[in-house]
Amino acid sequence: DAKTTQPTSMDCAEGRAANLPCNHSTISGNEYVYWYRQIHSQGPQYIIHGLKNNETNEMASLIITEDRKSSTLILPHATLRDTAVYYCIVRVTYNNNDMRFGAGTRLTVKP
Amino acid sequence: GAGVSQSPRYKVAKRGQDVALRCDPISGHVSLFWYQQALGQGPEFLTYFQNEAQLDKSGLPSDRFFAERPEGSVSTLKIQRTQQEDSAVYLCASSSKGTGRSNQPQHFGDGTRLSIL
Repeated sequence: DAKTTQPTSMDCAEGRAANLPCNHSTISGNEYVYWYRQIHSQGPQYIIHGLKNNETNEMASLIITEDRKSSTLILPHATLRDTAVYYCIVRVTYNNNDMRFGAGTRLTVKP
Repeated sequence: GAGVSQSPRYKVAKRGQDVALRCDPISGHVSLFWYQQALGQGPEFLTYFQNEAQLDKSGLPSDRFFAERPEGSVSTLKIQRTQQEDSAVYLCASSSKGTGRSNQPQHFGDGTRLSIL
């Protein structure tokens, strides 16, 4: 069973921020939140991960609520190339095989 | 830099044939993973190697599926007596750390699209 819940699809205007939500209400204290995306005909691409603090890198920002039951991936200035399926995954780090992708959110960036 | 490389990118086989899919992980990466992705769904875990040791094969759907990584680098996923339900994209991923408290992400190849006729 998937440990996360994401909307099936979202649209975003080019140049605007894309905010992708994820619910993980059953997350435990030793589980990280990971985000990947998959562009058509490519393998999943790692974006960012975090435990409880907000994280930012060159691709995106990850905001995790204080109770850790939900998170939001933010793409600050979406481009057409950001159109992809975005996967939110919770994972215990000492169990390397525990990557359960679910169906993800299909983000479409429109001009 | 070089990422995870998979070959072939596309494979068509007749039902009942054996197929072999190759994965070249990122150089020096200890962990290697195989996933199966059906059309319109997220990847599903098949098996995991740490160096040459296959530590988890719980996701392999049947005994027709076999994976190996004899020298701890390149890996091959073999499917014997293929069936139509084996049609999917097979993804390989690698990460730099083995088991233990590592949060290193997995890096994926672009997969092999297998079609069984």
